[in-house]
Formats: sequence, structure tokens, C-alpha cells
Amino acid sequence: SYVLTQSPSVSVAPGQTARITCGGNYIGGKSVFWYQQRPGQAPVLVVSDDSDRPSGIPERFSGSNSGNTATLTISRVEAGDEADYYCQVWDSSSDHVVFGGGTKLTVL
Amino acid sequence: QVELVQSGPEVKKPGASMRVSCKASGYLFSTFGVNWVRQAPGQGLEWMGWITGYNGNTKYAQTFQGRVTMTTDTSTSTAFMDLRSLKSDDTAIYYCARGVVVGALDYWGQGTLLIVSS
Repeated sequence: SYVLTQSPSVSVAPGQTARITCGGNYIGGKSVFWYQQRPGQAPVLVVSDDSDRPSGIPERFSGSNSGNTATLTISRVEAGDEADYYCQVWDSSSDHVVFGGGTKLTVL
Repeated sequence: QVELVQSGPEVKKPGASMRVSCKASGYLFSTFGVNWVRQAPGQGLEWMGWITGYNGNTKYAQTFQGRVTMTTDTSTSTAFMDLRSLKSDDTAIYYCARGVVVGALDYWGQGTLLIVSS
């Protein structure tokens, strides 16, 4: 089955840029989705189809995907961005949704 | 506006069964599927499976095959997830989420807490 690998944690100071990566075999050939989950809340879609932002998501959130790595970039990080972030793809060989293990973003 | 409202928390004994409901509003139910995702305490997201809104076709994760059944009631725009033979490690928050094949899980329910304990 398809596996997505995320670093467990990323720390960044307010105002700086956070980059959260998601590794997978030839992930560049798949559409990648990113979700933000604040403590005690349901996940929220923040990036769709590698780099599209759903309505209401700040422009500070962007995504890219190439080769074996997809990246969620959060510019001008704010305290409110502190959350767990999950990447997700569809594994077309099994018609299954696959999530990465999640990355905890800490704002210093 | 799109909204998914789930049923309330449950406490079950090992070996029992449970049902979670997910009532959709704000969109045409038959044009999207419903995914079910769970999250054990302190853990990540685990996909359980999904069901199409228009014909009830299902796809279950291998981990839950034989123990889970997903259904829909199109007359009330409600999806249901039944999980049988509960074990303590089924203790988790269960989420429903709207989606399409190869697409995003773009709207999520508020989650339903299940506690399995003797």
C-alpha cells in the first residue's frame, strides 16, 4: 500500500516561513491535499490538488508537489497557525485514501 | 452552506456494535461521497472507507473489512457507519467527510467520540 511520510514536528518563530513536507513514491504524479487540525477540532482543508486554496483560506498557505516530495508552505506564520497538519492522496491502485502521519507545527 | 452534523458520543462495552450517523445539508447529497475517518487519542487520521452518494457503492480499508458497514439514506441525506465487535482500541473520534473520487475531503463533520470500555 502507498505510504506518506511526514516529519513529526516543525517549529518556527512568528512572522517566519514554515515548510512542512510529505514524502511518497512518485508523489509528484498524484494530487496532494493538506489539512489543518487545531486541538479539539475537526480537520480543515487548507490546500487542494497540490496548490489550490479553498475559499476562506489565507494566501499565506501554499503548496507544491514534485518528484517524491510535496510541500505545504505557510508564510508569515501566526500563533493561530499552531496545529497538526496532514497530507493526503488517493491511492488509485486500491481506491483508498491515504494520510500522512501528521506534522505538529509549533509557533515559538 | 455545506454542513455535516454527526450523532452524539457513545460508550460501548467490548464486543458490542455502534452506529454513527452523519446528516448532510447545503448540497445535493447524491453528487458526493462520504468518507469515514477515525482518530485515536493522540494519534493521526486513519481512513476507514467511503460510500458514494448516488448508488451506495462502498470501499473499505483493509483494516476494517468484515467489521464495518457504511450505508446511506438518500431521503434524509444521511450517511451511517456501523462498526461491530468493538475493542478497546476502537476508542477514537470518528469523523465523516464529504468527498469525491481522487478529490479532497472538503467538508468534515464535528466528530463523534466513541469510548469502548468494560
